[in-house]
Amino acid sequence: NAGVTQTPKFQVLKTGQSMTLQCAQDMNHEYMSWYRQDPGMGLRLIHYSVGAGITDQGEVPNGYNVSRSTTEDFPLRLLSAAPSQTSVYFCASSQEGWETEAFFGQGTRLTVV
Amino acid sequence: AQSVTQLGSHVSVSEGALVLLRCNYSSSVPPYLFWYVQYPNQGLQLLLKYTSAATLVKGINGFEAEFKKSETSFHLTKPSAHMSDAAEYFCAVSEPEYGNKLVFGAGTILRVKS
Repeated sequence: NAGVTQTPKFQVLKTGQSMTLQCAQDMNHEYMSWYRQDPGMGLRLIHYSVGAGITDQGEVPNGYNVSRSTTEDFPLRLLSAAPSQTSVYFCASSQEGWETEAFFGQGTRLTVV
Repeated sequence: AQSVTQLGSHVSVSEGALVLLRCNYSSSVPPYLFWYVQYPNQGLQLLLKYTSAATLVKGINGFEAEFKKSETSFHLTKPSAHMSDAAEYFCAVSEPEYGNKLVFGAGTILRVKS
Protein backbone atom coordinates (compact mmCIF):
# COMPACT_ATOMS: atom_id res chain seq x y z
CA ASN A 1 0.00 0.00 0.00
CA ALA A 2 2.83 2.42 -0.92
CA GLY A 3 0.87 5.17 -2.76
CA VAL A 4 3.24 7.91 -3.98
CA THR A 5 6.89 7.40 -3.10
CA GLN A 6 9.50 10.14 -3.39
CA THR A 7 13.24 9.66 -3.07
CA PRO A 8 15.42 10.99 -1.61
CA LYS A 9 13.78 12.64 1.40
CA PHE A 10 16.66 15.08 1.90
CA GLN A 11 19.41 16.27 -0.43
CA VAL A 12 22.13 18.89 -0.37
CA LEU A 13 23.61 19.98 -3.69
CA LYS A 14 26.33 22.36 -4.68
CA THR A 15 25.55 25.10 -7.17
CA GLY A 16 25.87 23.76 -10.69
CA GLN A 17 25.36 20.11 -9.83
CA SER A 18 22.59 18.11 -11.44
CA MET A 19 20.33 15.53 -9.90
CA THR A 20 17.07 13.65 -10.37
CA LEU A 21 14.24 13.56 -7.87
CA GLN A 22 12.37 10.31 -8.15
CA CYS A 23 8.61 9.86 -7.94
CA ALA A 24 6.80 6.55 -8.29
CA GLN A 25 3.16 5.61 -7.76
CA ASP A 26 1.65 2.15 -7.63
CA MET A 27 -2.01 3.11 -8.11
CA ASN A 28 -1.99 3.10 -11.93
CA HIS A 29 -2.81 6.81 -11.96
CA GLU A 30 -2.69 8.66 -15.26
CA TYR A 31 -2.15 12.17 -13.92
CA MET A 32 1.06 13.19 -12.15
CA SER A 33 2.53 16.54 -11.15
CA TRP A 34 5.54 18.13 -9.51
CA TYR A 35 5.23 21.09 -7.16
CA ARG A 36 7.65 23.13 -5.15
CA GLN A 37 6.63 24.57 -1.79
CA ASP A 38 8.18 27.78 -0.49
CA PRO A 39 7.11 29.73 2.62
CA GLY A 40 4.26 32.12 1.88
CA MET A 41 3.94 30.98 -1.74
CA GLY A 42 1.96 27.79 -1.40
CA LEU A 43 2.56 25.02 -3.91
CA ARG A 44 3.65 26.11 -7.35
CA LEU A 45 3.28 23.77 -10.28
CA ILE A 46 6.53 22.89 -12.06
CA HIS A 47 5.51 20.24 -14.63
CA TYR A 48 2.63 17.85 -15.05
CA SER A 49 1.65 14.82 -17.09
CA VAL A 50 -1.70 13.36 -18.14
CA GLY A 51 -0.29 10.02 -19.21
CA ALA A 52 2.80 8.15 -20.34
CA GLY A 53 4.64 10.10 -23.03
CA ILE A 54 2.74 13.35 -22.35
CA THR A 55 4.15 16.21 -20.27
CA ASP A 56 3.53 19.93 -20.04
CA GLN A 57 4.88 22.96 -18.23
CA GLY A 58 3.37 24.52 -15.15
CA GLU A 59 3.95 27.92 -13.57
CA VAL A 60 7.68 27.61 -12.78
CA PRO A 61 9.30 25.15 -15.24
CA ASN A 62 12.64 26.91 -15.82
CA GLY A 63 15.62 24.86 -14.67
CA TYR A 64 13.66 21.60 -14.50
CA ASN A 65 13.05 18.77 -16.94
CA VAL A 66 10.63 15.85 -16.75
CA SER A 67 9.81 12.74 -18.73
CA ARG A 68 7.07 10.13 -18.42
CA SER A 69 8.19 6.90 -20.05
CA THR A 70 5.97 4.72 -17.84
CA THR A 71 2.68 5.26 -16.01
CA GLU A 72 4.36 4.60 -12.66
CA ASP A 73 7.34 6.95 -12.76
CA PHE A 74 7.67 10.72 -13.16
CA PRO A 75 11.25 11.87 -12.40
CA LEU A 76 12.17 15.53 -12.04
CA ARG A 77 15.63 16.57 -13.22
CA LEU A 78 17.51 19.64 -12.06
CA LEU A 79 19.93 20.45 -14.86
CA SER A 80 22.27 22.86 -13.05
CA ALA A 81 21.21 23.51 -9.47
CA ALA A 82 20.93 27.09 -8.21
CA PRO A 83 20.31 28.40 -4.68
CA SER A 84 16.89 29.63 -5.86
CA GLN A 85 15.90 25.98 -6.25
CA THR A 86 16.23 25.38 -2.51
CA SER A 87 12.73 24.20 -1.65
CA VAL A 88 10.54 21.29 -0.66
CA TYR A 89 9.38 19.33 -3.69
CA PHE A 90 6.15 17.33 -3.80
CA CYS A 91 4.97 14.82 -6.34
CA ALA A 92 1.23 14.15 -6.72
CA SER A 93 -0.87 11.70 -8.70
CA SER A 94 -4.54 11.36 -9.56
CA GLN A 95 -6.50 8.61 -11.23
CA GLU A 96 -8.24 10.21 -14.20
CA GLY A 97 -8.19 13.95 -13.59
CA TRP A 98 -7.64 16.46 -10.84
CA GLU A 99 -11.36 16.51 -10.01
CA THR A 100 -10.68 13.22 -8.30
CA GLU A 101 -8.49 13.09 -5.22
CA ALA A 102 -4.81 13.96 -5.61
CA PHE A 103 -2.41 11.79 -3.62
CA PHE A 104 0.86 13.34 -2.47
CA GLY A 105 4.25 11.98 -1.62
CA GLN A 106 6.03 12.90 1.61
CA GLY A 107 8.25 15.44 -0.11
CA THR A 108 11.94 15.96 -0.86
CA ARG A 109 13.72 18.74 1.00
CA LEU A 110 16.43 20.11 -1.29
CA THR A 111 19.12 22.58 -0.27
CA VAL A 112 21.44 24.12 -2.85
CA VAL A 113 24.56 25.74 -1.43
CA ALA B 1 -6.39 31.60 -16.16
CA GLN B 2 -7.43 29.74 -13.07
CA SER B 3 -6.18 30.98 -9.71
CA VAL B 4 -7.12 31.06 -6.05
CA THR B 5 -6.53 33.69 -3.39
CA GLN B 6 -6.45 32.80 0.27
CA LEU B 7 -7.03 35.75 2.57
CA GLY B 8 -4.85 35.62 5.64
CA SER B 9 -1.59 33.73 5.73
CA HIS B 10 -2.06 33.04 9.46
CA VAL B 11 -5.28 32.54 11.42
CA SER B 12 -5.39 32.04 15.18
CA VAL B 13 -8.46 30.76 17.05
CA SER B 14 -9.15 29.47 20.53
CA GLU B 15 -10.03 25.86 21.08
CA GLY B 16 -13.80 25.48 20.67
CA ALA B 17 -14.17 28.61 18.53
CA LEU B 18 -15.37 28.84 14.95
CA VAL B 19 -12.78 28.27 12.24
CA LEU B 20 -13.17 30.32 9.05
CA LEU B 21 -10.54 30.14 6.31
CA ARG B 22 -11.20 32.22 3.22
CA CYS B 23 -10.70 31.30 -0.41
CA ASN B 24 -11.69 33.20 -3.55
CA TYR B 25 -11.18 31.83 -7.03
CA SER B 26 -10.80 33.24 -10.47
CA SER B 27 -12.26 31.16 -13.26
CA SER B 28 -14.12 31.74 -16.49
CA VAL B 29 -16.12 28.55 -16.11
CA PRO B 30 -17.49 26.70 -13.07
CA PRO B 31 -14.37 25.10 -11.64
CA TYR B 32 -13.63 22.17 -9.43
CA LEU B 33 -12.56 23.45 -5.99
CA PHE B 34 -10.71 21.72 -3.19
CA TRP B 35 -9.36 22.16 0.30
CA TYR B 36 -6.24 20.24 1.28
CA VAL B 37 -4.54 20.08 4.68
CA GLN B 38 -0.85 19.66 5.45
CA TYR B 39 0.35 18.60 8.88
CA PRO B 40 3.98 19.36 9.80
CA ASN B 41 6.56 17.49 7.74
CA GLN B 42 3.93 15.63 5.77
CA GLY B 43 2.40 15.71 2.31
CA LEU B 44 -1.05 17.11 1.59
CA GLN B 45 -4.31 15.25 2.06
CA LEU B 46 -7.78 16.04 0.75
CA LEU B 47 -10.29 17.61 3.17
CA LEU B 48 -13.16 18.13 0.75
CA LYS B 49 -14.03 18.99 -2.84
CA TYR B 50 -16.69 20.74 -4.90
CA THR B 51 -17.41 19.26 -8.32
CA SER B 52 -20.70 20.96 -9.32
CA ALA B 53 -23.04 18.86 -7.20
CA ALA B 54 -24.28 20.28 -3.85
CA THR B 55 -22.95 23.76 -3.08
CA LEU B 56 -22.43 22.90 0.60
CA VAL B 57 -19.73 20.29 0.82
CA LYS B 58 -18.91 18.29 3.93
CA GLY B 59 -15.43 16.90 4.45
CA ILE B 60 -13.42 14.99 6.97
CA ASN B 61 -12.81 16.00 10.59
CA GLY B 62 -15.98 18.15 10.77
CA PHE B 63 -14.95 20.66 8.10
CA GLU B 64 -17.30 21.99 5.46
CA ALA B 65 -17.21 24.57 2.67
CA GLU B 66 -19.82 26.41 0.65
CA PHE B 67 -19.46 27.23 -3.03
CA LYS B 68 -20.87 30.70 -3.76
CA LYS B 69 -20.72 31.50 -7.45
CA SER B 70 -21.92 35.11 -7.01
CA GLU B 71 -19.03 35.80 -4.64
CA THR B 72 -16.53 33.46 -6.37
CA SER B 73 -15.79 32.07 -2.93
CA PHE B 74 -15.22 28.68 -1.34
CA HIS B 75 -14.60 29.39 2.34
CA LEU B 76 -13.75 26.57 4.77
CA THR B 77 -15.46 26.40 8.15
CA LYS B 78 -15.58 24.25 11.25
CA PRO B 79 -17.94 25.06 14.14
CA SER B 80 -15.54 24.15 16.95
CA ALA B 81 -11.75 24.08 16.64
CA HIS B 82 -9.67 21.29 18.15
CA MET B 83 -5.98 21.42 18.95
CA SER B 84 -5.45 18.70 16.35
CA ASP B 85 -6.71 21.08 13.61
CA ALA B 86 -3.48 23.09 13.78
CA ALA B 87 -1.99 22.73 10.30
CA GLU B 88 -1.61 24.54 7.00
CA TYR B 89 -4.65 24.61 4.74
CA PHE B 90 -4.60 25.04 0.98
CA CYS B 91 -7.40 25.94 -1.38
CA ALA B 92 -6.99 24.60 -4.92
CA VAL B 93 -8.76 24.86 -8.28
CA SER B 94 -8.91 22.74 -11.38
CA GLU B 95 -10.44 23.58 -14.76
CA PRO B 96 -10.22 20.52 -17.00
CA GLU B 97 -11.28 22.53 -20.05
CA TYR B 98 -8.29 24.82 -19.66
CA GLY B 99 -5.49 22.39 -19.14
CA ASN B 100 -5.29 19.47 -16.80
CA LYS B 101 -3.72 21.31 -13.91
CA LEU B 102 -4.36 21.57 -10.18
CA VAL B 103 -3.42 25.05 -8.96
CA PHE B 104 -2.99 25.94 -5.28
CA GLY B 105 -3.34 29.08 -3.22
CA ALA B 106 -0.60 30.38 -0.95
CA GLY B 107 -1.93 28.56 2.10
CA THR B 108 -3.24 29.58 5.54
CA ILE B 109 -1.56 28.41 8.73
CA LEU B 110 -4.15 27.70 11.42
CA ARG B 111 -3.07 28.03 15.02
CA VAL B 112 -5.36 26.75 17.79
CA LYS B 113 -4.85 28.21 21.26
CA SER B 114 -5.77 26.32 24.40
